[in-house]
Amino acid sequence: GAGVSQSPSNKVTEKGKDVELRCDPISGHTALYWYRQRLGQGLEFLIYFQGNSAPDKSGLPSDRFSAERTGESVSTLTIQRTQQEDSAVYLCASSLEGTSGTYEQYFGPGTRLTVT
Amino acid sequence: AQSVTQLDSQVPVFEEAPVELRCNYSSSVSVYLFWYVQYPNQGLQLLLKYLSGSTLVKGINGFEAEFNKSQTSFHLRKPSVHISDTAEYFCAVSGYQAGTALIFGKGTTLSVSS
Repeated sequence: GAGVSQSPSNKVTEKGKDVELRCDPISGHTALYWYRQRLGQGLEFLIYFQGNSAPDKSGLPSDRFSAERTGESVSTLTIQRTQQEDSAVYLCASSLEGTSGTYEQYFGPGTRLTVT
Repeated sequence: AQSVTQLDSQVPVFEEAPVELRCNYSSSVSVYLFWYVQYPNQGLQLLLKYLSGSTLVKGINGFEAEFNKSQTSFHLRKPSVHISDTAEYFCAVSGYQAGTALIFGKGTTLSVSS
């Protein structure tokens, strides 16, 4: 079956512009995560969605970052007034959270964001 | 809170040599442990995971890892590496509750040369 997909694969934007990143999780996966991977760093958790519950936004670095998810499908991560330090690869992952024995997160290929 | 330390940022090895990538974690609660691999220009792929049971875990591509609770370690090993194993390897932990985000180490770049 299809894996997690993300679009665009690459995005170059000017400082101060807003960007939207899209994630299509694996069908049937109830949980969706966004992570950020800056050059030379590990992945940083940004936000988590589980079904219709309120999202866990504890990892968002500033109020310029927001995310939405429609039901158990597509999610968009929005970064407003982008700054150069926002340059990173943004990774989305989904999982069958809540079912026994499965805590594997399946990752998409990521969106490489470059803020000039 | 949990944290993960990958002790080596880069590990160069020759083809067919054994390799060990080291990972230590810190946590006040029990955790699940994972190793992910990221090949150039690709997304992360799960290599193996430790949830419970046997402390020696076997994964894909001939990799294995051993969970050592007393040393809070989860080192990744392969007895004989191939050029195709060249990639970035990430160790990660998560708590037991559903919805717990993975906490990643900074990664180890494994470079295999002939």
